[in-house]
Amino acid sequence: DSGVTQTPKHLITATGQRVTLRCSPRSGDLSVYWYQQSLDQGLQFLIHYYNGEERAKGNILERFSAQQFPDLHSELNLSSLELGDSALYFCASSPNRVDTQYFGPGTRLTVL
Amino acid sequence: SQQGEEDPQALSIQEGENATMNCSYKTSINNLQWYRQNSGRGLVHLILIRSNEREKHSGRLRVTLDTSKKSSSLLITASRAADTASYFCATPDVTSGTYKYIFGTGTRLKVLA
Repeated sequence: DSGVTQTPKHLITATGQRVTLRCSPRSGDLSVYWYQQSLDQGLQFLIHYYNGEERAKGNILERFSAQQFPDLHSELNLSSLELGDSALYFCASSPNRVDTQYFGPGTRLTVL
Repeated sequence: SQQGEEDPQALSIQEGENATMNCSYKTSINNLQWYRQNSGRGLVHLILIRSNEREKHSGRLRVTLDTSKKSSSLLITASRAADTASYFCATPDVTSGTYKYIFGTGTRLKVLA
């Protein structure tokens, strides 16, 4: 158990809908990262927050947004969902910005 | 090719043999990390090697880093069936100052009992 929790574990929704994925980092970790992993693909970096502030953006679509709250949990919002958004979404946390990352179990999103 | 590209893409070996996988990257780094992922699960950190280190060991794992060639290798000795997983290298891209993490596409290792 990494100490990082993600909810929900599975999410099935329809195209055009909007969903919110939640991540709780390990106690004391200030950094939260979000990644997307499509079938048989590597991890695509989406976004990084450090102590509530956005610090880096990857190839995150404009339909996607995220935030980190004062209690350091983070949410990833995906809107106007398309079939191609079906993937595993992972969050990871670390104490700072370039340290070991601890991954959550992921949320499997299926868009029908 | 992408930064953090692993080679080979897939590897199948017998239990007890050694497994070697390689990673290449493009930009400046201050460390390189290796992770393991069992099918459909979250990644587990294996080892971190800093840019001023050339070799690091952890149990049956040996990692090397060659910053002049922008490459790293992960050696798993005396492999076990439980080592069957995908292995990823990850590099924080520090050139932009934003610490984007770049993961490769991974090496799928299968260890046959």
